[in-house]
Amino acid sequence: QVTLRESGPALVKPSQTLTLTCTFSGFSISGVEMCVSWIRQPPGAALEWLALVDWDDDKYYATSLKTRLTISKDTSKNQVVLTMTNVDPLDTATYYCARSSVMGPRIYFDSWGPGTLVTVSS
Amino acid sequence: SYVLTQPPSVSVAPGQTARITCGGNDIGNYNVHWYQQKAGQAPVVVVYDDSDRPSGIPERFSGSNSGNTATLTISRVAAGDEADYYCQVWDSSNDQGVFGSGTRVTVL
Repeated sequence: QVTLRESGPALVKPSQTLTLTCTFSGFSISGVEMCVSWIRQPPGAALEWLALVDWDDDKYYATSLKTRLTISKDTSKNQVVLTMTNVDPLDTATYYCARSSVMGPRIYFDSWGPGTLVTVSS
Repeated sequence: SYVLTQPPSVSVAPGQTARITCGGNDIGNYNVHWYQQKAGQAPVVVVYDDSDRPSGIPERFSGSNSGNTATLTISRVAAGDEADYYCQVWDSSNDQGVFGSGTRVTVL
């Protein structure tokens, strides 16, 4: 059974760095074509893909946020970490991590964590 | 960047058919995936690769994709189908995940 769970601070001050951790089980990110993405959803708004790391440690980022995001994986801990620098109230959102088990143009998200709400406020 | 356009809302009577469109330039050349998100919950994939269903998803959910429009069809709509629905593609030209703007399905 595949499970993912996000963890991190519920409240962050503007200009600080946000660090989120995705802890997963039921698969290994070192498996061929396995990857984990971060996706966020501001209150009442649509989903926004943020970043992906794959089994080969290739990393991809949303163009609009590329300069502020870093994604990394720890295969031994079954974790993927996302850091976002210089946060702003507009970064207030529920942050999800999600797994893909295919790569290339077929990438879709077959398992999701429950999400964690992050509020950016002073 | 690639843009996916969905109608904000679709209303349908119980037992009828709901059709949710997802527009994009030559979207027929992409693999389109659809997610259902009920209030307060994480999204769940209901159709992947244009028209395939994950195990556990009812046959009432089907998808098609051609030209500039992909469509998610929900047959025999029930109250439990009320949710937001999102289309998604992977834009290989610049390695980006792209979601549509979402469609709220209301069962009358």
